[in-house]
Amino acid sequence: SQTIHQWPATLVQPVGSPLSLECTVEGTSNPNLYWYRQAAGRGLQLLFYSVGIGQISSEVPQNLSASRPQDRQFILSSKKLLLSDSGFYLCAWSEGGMRTEAFFGQGTRLTVV
Amino acid sequence: AQSVTQLDSHVSVSEGTPVLLRCNYSSSYSPSLFWYVQHPNKGLQLLLKYTSAATLVKGINGFEAEFKKSETSFHLTKPSAHMSDAAEYFCVVIPAGGNTPLVFGKGTRLSVIA
Repeated sequence: SQTIHQWPATLVQPVGSPLSLECTVEGTSNPNLYWYRQAAGRGLQLLFYSVGIGQISSEVPQNLSASRPQDRQFILSSKKLLLSDSGFYLCAWSEGGMRTEAFFGQGTRLTVV
Repeated sequence: AQSVTQLDSHVSVSEGTPVLLRCNYSSSYSPSLFWYVQHPNKGLQLLLKYTSAATLVKGINGFEAEFKKSETSFHLTKPSAHMSDAAEYFCVVIPAGGNTPLVFGKGTRLSVIA
């Protein structure tokens, strides 16, 4: 069966520090991968999605970037965090090439101080 | 463009009473629709999905949803609310194309009163 791992679960970082959140999927190949952010009391905002290695689509220009160095690995990064980067970050995957549901990781609570 | 509208940002029910969370979609073709649930500080869990088979879809934890094309609706219901149902619920549609991301509604927060 397929599983998705996302870490860390919580993170407190100072303003101006770098960020690296990692997400890996097991039990499938060539998945679509997604990063979402959920600000307090708001819905989900799609940040990036990827349909293959090295293929990244950015939905919202901001202080973040994403990379997909391996088929089932998706990394969210920032060189210098801003206070506004605080939020709940969710990684998700879906079957590549198909209109099917997505499966979510447990999320990372990021607090920038 | 395909979209979903969740008509209520917050719904409050008493334990043991029915739950109705409303969702309308816009789509020029037969859509794929989903409901997800999110408990505080947790990831999203799929409750149920509609993919052009039976219009009444049964999901986990006693939830179900009915696809009504004439009303462009996909409302989520449960006959009797339980305290553990208190959470955020999202209605979701998949746009055309095999690799397009899911489109989320803004969510409905369900409160269950003892």
